[in-house]
Amino acid sequence: DTEVTQTPKHLVMGMTNKKSLKCEQHMGHRAMYWYKQKAKKPPELMFVYSYEKLSINESVPSRFSPECPNSSLLNLHLHALQPEDSALYLCASSQRLANNEQFFGPGTRLTVL
Amino acid sequence: GQNIDQPTEMTATEGAIVQINCTYQTSGFNGLFWYQQHAGEAPTFLSYNVLDGLEEKGRFSSFLSRSKGYSYLLLKELQMKDSASYLCAVRGYGGATNKLIFGTGTLLAVQP
Repeated sequence: DTEVTQTPKHLVMGMTNKKSLKCEQHMGHRAMYWYKQKAKKPPELMFVYSYEKLSINESVPSRFSPECPNSSLLNLHLHALQPEDSALYLCASSQRLANNEQFFGPGTRLTVL
Repeated sequence: GQNIDQPTEMTATEGAIVQINCTYQTSGFNGLFWYQQHAGEAPTFLSYNVLDGLEEKGRFSSFLSRSKGYSYLLLKELQMKDSASYLCAVRGYGGATNKLIFGTGTLLAVQP
């Protein structure tokens, strides 16, 4: 298995909803990442986990809450989002933090109404 | 500050060669990456340079000059499927963080 999977592919939620994005990889990678990508913009790093511990939080608002329950899974819990949070949310993984190549998942297209 | 510049759009002809340039100014440098991203899809890794010079991988080559803060991606024998956005990304800190800073991307249109 050489891919990163993300669910759901599309998500529409209201500003009062609570939802979660899920990311999974079975390549034995110990570094996992969340990126946010707005239309026609490059990906922006949100969080980095290394060995299931949060390594980087790029000053992301607390309405986004990451979780890494084990080495294969990465979640992003969403609560009280704003319409401007609508974007493509990309998960990526790499063997270790120091490794060169990050493998990206297909992303979750989030729309906040 | 962090600044990575690429042309916004480029057009090229099928079978031709195209060079996509990237200039960067970052606080620290530990590698430059090129990713390809088709519309609505995830970025896919193309190349990595950390030392000056040319890295060749099939139809794709990437060049780096650290003293000039400059890189380019060279695509040969262009195919229609090469129409995509090409993202230049710099790892601006030590390798332990692997934090990538992406440029705005170059949208390449390959015409018949």
